[in-house]
Amino acid sequence: QLVLTQSPSASASLGASVKLTCTLSSGHSTYAITWHQQQPQKGPRFLMKLNSDGSHIKGGGIPDRFSGSSSGAERYLTISSLQSEDEADYYCQTWGTGIQVFGGGTKVTVL
Amino acid sequence: QVQLVESGGGMVQPGGSLRLSCAASGFTFSSYGMHWVRQAPGKGLEWVTFTRYDENTKYYADSVKGRFTISRDNLMNTLYLQMRSLRSEDTAVYYCAKGASKDFHYMDVWGKGTTVTVSS
Repeated sequence: QLVLTQSPSASASLGASVKLTCTLSSGHSTYAITWHQQQPQKGPRFLMKLNSDGSHIKGGGIPDRFSGSSSGAERYLTISSLQSEDEADYYCQTWGTGIQVFGGGTKVTVL
Repeated sequence: QVQLVESGGGMVQPGGSLRLSCAASGFTFSSYGMHWVRQAPGKGLEWVTFTRYDENTKYYADSVKGRFTISRDNLMNTLYLQMRSLRSEDTAVYYCAKGASKDFHYMDVWGKGTTVTVSS
């Protein structure tokens, strides 16, 4: 079964970095994923598509502070130089035959 | 710029029906697959349904299969979601999202959403 697992929360200080993890279920470690940001009371925003080899394609206008990387079944989103507007929920997402799956989301708090 | 604007949300009684619309602009609508995704109050994102650019392939989440129907009008650049036999658990913000290609793929542009409340 295709499942994505995310930690519920993460926090870091203004100007620091935070690294979010999304873990693919067993047997799906080669899948690409996407990362989406959802600021409070707003619709989601596509950040990037992240492949199993760590290569990624960002959405238009996404700052360089957002980067992605991969290791085995884990996919990462690193936000550098945290700003107040980065306080949001972050969802990873992937797809298989006839199904799209979202992780449960990670709430990022900027201290 | 690429824009998706949902409409048609509202309050409906259990067992009722509702049709959502999504007006697309800023890209060649007829060349891309399209999704509906929903978010229940205080919960995460849940994929609902997808249609290929030509409607030849459609997929549905098990939670809505047989009750919801996705369709599109490529001349009017509009995506639809017909919802029937609505339940309280269908209460959510419904987002329209552009697929990244003609076929079944991830979402790369999102609308702002429209709210559906199912309650007596």
